[in-house]
Amino acid sequence: GESVGLHLPTLSVQEGDNSIINCAYSNSASDYFIWYKQESGKGPQFIIDIRSNMDKRQGQRVTVLLNKTVKHLSLQIAATQPGDSAVYFCADPRGTTSGTYKYIFGTGTRLKVLA
Amino acid sequence: DTAVSQTPKYLVTQMGNDKSIKCEQNLGHDTMYWYKQDSKKFLKIMFSYNNKELIINETVPNRFSPKSPDKAHLNLHINSLELGDSAVYFCASISFSGEEAFFGQGTRLTVV
Repeated sequence: GESVGLHLPTLSVQEGDNSIINCAYSNSASDYFIWYKQESGKGPQFIIDIRSNMDKRQGQRVTVLLNKTVKHLSLQIAATQPGDSAVYFCADPRGTTSGTYKYIFGTGTRLKVLA
Repeated sequence: DTAVSQTPKYLVTQMGNDKSIKCEQNLGHDTMYWYKQDSKKFLKIMFSYNNKELIINETVPNRFSPKSPDKAHLNLHINSLELGDSAVYFCASISFSGEEAFFGQGTRLTVV
């Protein structure tokens, strides 16, 4: 099924610390996931992706971990900076019978970076 | 150059009015979407068009009518606006591989 947002979880992190944002998914057939960052007043922007044949993928200061057994993925941000303050979404692009994709977004987590 | 652009950025209108939001992408993509984001930041897909053809219609009231004059444009017309329509509406297009969605800046619609 698709996640329904009842509230927006908030994670408060001290500047310089590492942040971990979690996402649970329900579709066992999902084989590709993307993390998006949405800053205030802007649309979501691509951060990093991971395919189901991988457990871990690293980018610049960000790492995504995928645990297919428990249908869970996480986004780790190293040395969190004020510019990281945003709402973070995991997304599951699902193929459709028409050959296009239907992007399903998770509930989202608001990251607040404390000075 | 903005890849996906929406107009207007803000829209305040009275209940019962009809309004339109426009979206254009210059990425050459075939597939575009409309999403609605509520006050809790939940992003819900509304429509998807592929090369001017409606592909996805997610049980949206028929007061909402998307129109795609060409594959670079996807507009959203809303009739008889209701208070519950207040939200931020995002247009997006996806890459040919489906591996990345590019979003516009959003249109904040407030119905009073």
